[in-house]
Amino acid sequence: AQSVTQLDSHVSVSEGTPVLLRCNYSSSYSPSLFWYVQHPNKGLQLLLKYTSAATLVKGINGFEAEFKKSETSFHLTKPSAHMSDAAEYFCVVSDHGLTGGGNKLTFGTGTQLKVEL
Amino acid sequence: DVKVTQSSRYLVKRTGEKVFLECVQDMDHENMFWYRQDPGLGLRLIYFSYDVKMKEKGDIPEGYSVSREKKERFSLILESASTNQTSMYLCASNSDRAWVNTEAFFGQGTRLTVV
Repeated sequence: AQSVTQLDSHVSVSEGTPVLLRCNYSSSYSPSLFWYVQHPNKGLQLLLKYTSAATLVKGINGFEAEFKKSETSFHLTKPSAHMSDAAEYFCVVSDHGLTGGGNKLTFGTGTQLKVEL
Repeated sequence: DVKVTQSSRYLVKRTGEKVFLECVQDMDHENMFWYRQDPGLGLRLIYFSYDVKMKEKGDIPEGYSVSREKKERFSLILESASTNQTSMYLCASNSDRAWVNTEAFFGQGTRLTVV
């Protein structure tokens, strides 16, 4: 079975300082991993994805994440936070279905990022 | 522009009613999903489907059923709505041709209140 653990439910940073949102996963197969962002009253938007190519993945809005198989981690980082980054972030793992078809997406519980002046 | 469309943004239903939530995607995706989103719990998978007439239970299928008669449409059914099913419901779709798991596209969500 696959699972995702987001280690922090809330993270608060000052504008202009680095962001680190932590994610650990468990998967029986070679997984695909994603980070999604959800701004208040908005839909979910893909930030970036890892699908067994380069382990350092660059996404939109200056975010990036590094896949570390030995640590089963996929932490999300950004060098300098902006006020517009305040949102909820979800780490997602996907591997091929165990019962013959489809790829089940499993979400973490989310990390609320607060950016202060 | 790719699109996943959920039929309602807001719904209010009474306890015991049968409730249908509809989702349509225009991307010819094989896979479709229904999640519910609750504060502090993230998104939890209710059911998913990887082909027409195929369905698989997710993590919290109790009290729900689904229907996928056409590739583009995936319906979530609350057989007898209860107050603990008050939540935001999100539909998503993606493709996994060649076993590569692709980005999932989400609808805007349906906020269901059961009174």
